[in-house]
Amino acid sequence: AQSVTQLGSHVSVSEGALVLLRCNYSSSVPPYLFWYVQYPNQGLQLLLKYTTGATLVKGINGFEAEFKKSETSFHLTKPSAHMSDAAEYFCAVSDSSVSSNTGKLIFGQGTTLQVKP
Amino acid sequence: DSGVTQTPKHLITATGQRVTLRCSPRSGDLSVYWYQQSLDQGLQFLIQYYNGEERAKGNILERFSAQQFPDLHSELNLSSLELGDSALYFCASSVDQGRNTIYFGEGSWLTVV
Repeated sequence: AQSVTQLGSHVSVSEGALVLLRCNYSSSVPPYLFWYVQYPNQGLQLLLKYTTGATLVKGINGFEAEFKKSETSFHLTKPSAHMSDAAEYFCAVSDSSVSSNTGKLIFGQGTTLQVKP
Repeated sequence: DSGVTQTPKHLITATGQRVTLRCSPRSGDLSVYWYQQSLDQGLQFLIQYYNGEERAKGNILERFSAQQFPDLHSELNLSSLELGDSALYFCASSVDQGRNTIYFGEGSWLTVV
């Protein structure tokens, strides 16, 4: 079975500081990995995804994530936080890599990012 | 705007009642997914339909049912509602069975009183 663990339900950084949100996954098949962001009272927006190929994935709004198979991790980073980055971030894994894929996403519990002025 | 449309945006109803949540997927998308987001359970996958057929089932209660119609819109029916069913229900869609990006709607807030 697939699962996702996000370390830290709340992360607080100062504006301009590095953002690091941690995600570890468990999957019996090659995983597809995703980061979604949820702003208050809005739906989920895809930040980036890893399917195959290059392990460093660049997404929208300056975010990037690196797939590390040996560490079963997919941490999300941004070099310099902006006030507008304050939101909840979700890491997710799917079984889309196999022929019997369903595309269903298994989400972590989410990390709330606070950005202080 | 993801292109996935959900109605209603907010709904307040009493215990024991039945409600229907509606979802219109992005134009051209054949898969529809339903998720429940609550404080205690987080984001949970409920069910997926692909081109009218049930494709995958998750933690969906027997009191809940869904269907996807020939025009590809979907409905999630919640019956015999309990206080614990209060949650944000998301619909999502993708062009295929999941290899391409899955787009989420803004959700339907259900409050059971």
